[in-house]
Amino acid sequence: DVKVTQSSRYLVKRTGEKVFLECVQDMDHENMFWYRQDPGLGLRLIYFSYDVKMKEKGDIPEGYSVSREKKERFSLILESASTNQTSMYLCASSPPSGSHNEQYFGPGTRLTVT
Amino acid sequence: GEDVEQSLFLSVREGDSSVINCTYTDSSSTYLYWYKQEPGAGLQLLTYIFSNMDMKQDQRLTVLLNKKDKHLSLRIADTQTGDSAIYFCAERGTGRRALTFGSGTRLQVQP
Repeated sequence: DVKVTQSSRYLVKRTGEKVFLECVQDMDHENMFWYRQDPGLGLRLIYFSYDVKMKEKGDIPEGYSVSREKKERFSLILESASTNQTSMYLCASSPPSGSHNEQYFGPGTRLTVT
Repeated sequence: GEDVEQSLFLSVREGDSSVINCTYTDSSSTYLYWYKQEPGAGLQLLTYIFSNMDMKQDQRLTVLLNKKDKHLSLRIADTQTGDSAIYFCAERGTGRRALTFGSGTRLQVQP
């Protein structure tokens, strides 16, 4: 079974703090993704990575950065957390494009910025 | 950019059929997906359909695709309380790695 794990289920941070969200997958997938999920807005893509050290901006990259130093690990960084970044963050991974290219999701990290 | 739209809420009685609808704008969509999210969990793929198909059936699930109208639906037969969840429609365009998701439809099943 594919497993995608996220470092924390719940996180509370203060405005202005630097926040790291970690994601690890165990299926040697090339592609990894970070989404945020907000009620009524569904999932919005923040960043994705298609290889080590390679990244592309998604639909809402402002205020975020990412790091992929190893194939199995993809980190989301909030350089200076703000209250409008309070959200559920979901990480996903998928094999290379081809066939139906299912994305496998982690359980999510609910981040609250106060 | 690409857009995927769903209604936000659906309520059905246990044993009835549920139909969740989705529309999308990307005419290059190759695969369309239905994901399920149970409370406190990540998303899990329920089923998918390739764009050259118009129907796919998998046990209690039936997916219908009208490519001309860019309309996708998910029918759940004999809906159970365990089907209560948020259902997301998603699509992937040609050559794209990322999916575009709808806002999700919360299905409430009443006993």
